[in-house]
This record gives sequence, structure tokens and C-alpha cells, in this order.
Amino acid sequence: QKEVEQDPGPLSVPEGAIVSLNCTYSNSAFQYFMWYRQYSRKGPELLMYTYSSGNKEDGRFTAQVDKSSKYISLFIRDSQPSDSATYLCAMKRTNAGKSTFGDGTTLTVKP
Amino acid sequence: EAGVTQFPSHSVIEKGQTVTLRCDPISGHDNLYWYRRVMGKEIKFLLHFVKESKQDESGMPNNRFLAERTGGTYSTLKVQPAELEDSGVYFCASSQAFGLGAGELFFGEGSRLTVL
Repeated sequence: QKEVEQDPGPLSVPEGAIVSLNCTYSNSAFQYFMWYRQYSRKGPELLMYTYSSGNKEDGRFTAQVDKSSKYISLFIRDSQPSDSATYLCAMKRTNAGKSTFGDGTTLTVKP
Repeated sequence: EAGVTQFPSHSVIEKGQTVTLRCDPISGHDNLYWYRRVMGKEIKFLLHFVKESKQDESGMPNNRFLAERTGGTYSTLKVQPAELEDSGVYFCASSQAFGLGAGELFFGEGSRLTVL
């Protein structure tokens, strides 16, 4: 069983829609929860991260972590065509170097 | 400031041949990671250097893979001999922090390896 499962998608939404991207995990030792965005033929880039449970907002992006359910989400408000990319959740333990990634969800925002 | 650079961007080799991938991390980043994405699968951790030392090599698939980081600067990942299942995109990432904080990873664009 994979440690991190990500809703596979792909997702296609109209411009302006609210997007919800989700991951579940099995390892309760994970404390850092990251969301990366990857454009085609590029490397992933960190969007935001959260430590332990709670919400974090950055502009149009909100990350939520529910450790009791082992469930994390990324919400994108007022989605734009430039948000079209693959979104990857990733997690790591405190004092650990490596991150464990989900498969990624490909999002297309249509004008 | 230059980001993480990887070379080559794409390599096509025959099964049984050798390939060496190179990664130049961001200057000053002591932590260097190799990850791999095989088609249809998730990005998987291969190993982690802190300066020139291997901190964690638990993700290396087998002894056909050899990673080095001479002098704690650039790193190479050699696959010898290459097998069909080694095809994929090999990402290098670097970070300043290890342990404390999320240790933001800065990824290169990846080296795409195709084994025929």
C-alpha cells in the first residue's frame, strides 16, 4: 500500500472555478505537508507547506491538513488558465530529509 | 542566482549501456537529493546527500545505481548497466535546511532517460 494516495484526476474546470485537490496518507509520523506545482517538462516547485494540522492561506491558495483523518487538501479560488499544471502533494517527517510524494493531479483551467 | 541544473536533459541509450546524470545544486545548499519518476508512477526518493556524505540511500533500487557527490558540490548518478525499467525522469533537488522546517526543495528540470 502506498503511503500517500492522491486523487488522480485529471481535472478540467472553467476559469474562475474553485478547485479542490486532495491526498490521504497512512503514515502518522508525517508532520510537514507540502503542495508542489509542476508545469510540463519542468521540475516541481513548492507552492506552500503546512506543519501539523490546520489551515494556511496564500493569496488564492488555501492548504488544509486534518491529521485525525490523515487527509490534506489544496483549494484554489478564482482559478486561472495559468494555474493549469500538475499538482503534487508531498509529506515528510520532522528531522527527515526525504519527502514522500503523491502521484499528482493534472489540472486544466479553460478560459 | 542560478537554480538547480541537470545534464543531460534527455538521454537515449541501449539496454546494458551506462549513463551518467549530473546535477549542480544551488550554491550554498548542503542538501542534495535524487528522485525518480517512472511513467505513470509517483516521484520516488532515491537518496540524500548532506555535503559529500550519503545521509539516506534507502531509495536506491539496486547496486546498478551509484551516486557520488565529490567535494560536496555537484553530484552524479550513474546507472550501469541500464535496464528497460530504469526509463523515467530523474530529478535532482537541493535545499538549505534539513530536519528543521520543511526544508524547501528546489528541483531541477529533470533528466529524461530512455532505455531501449
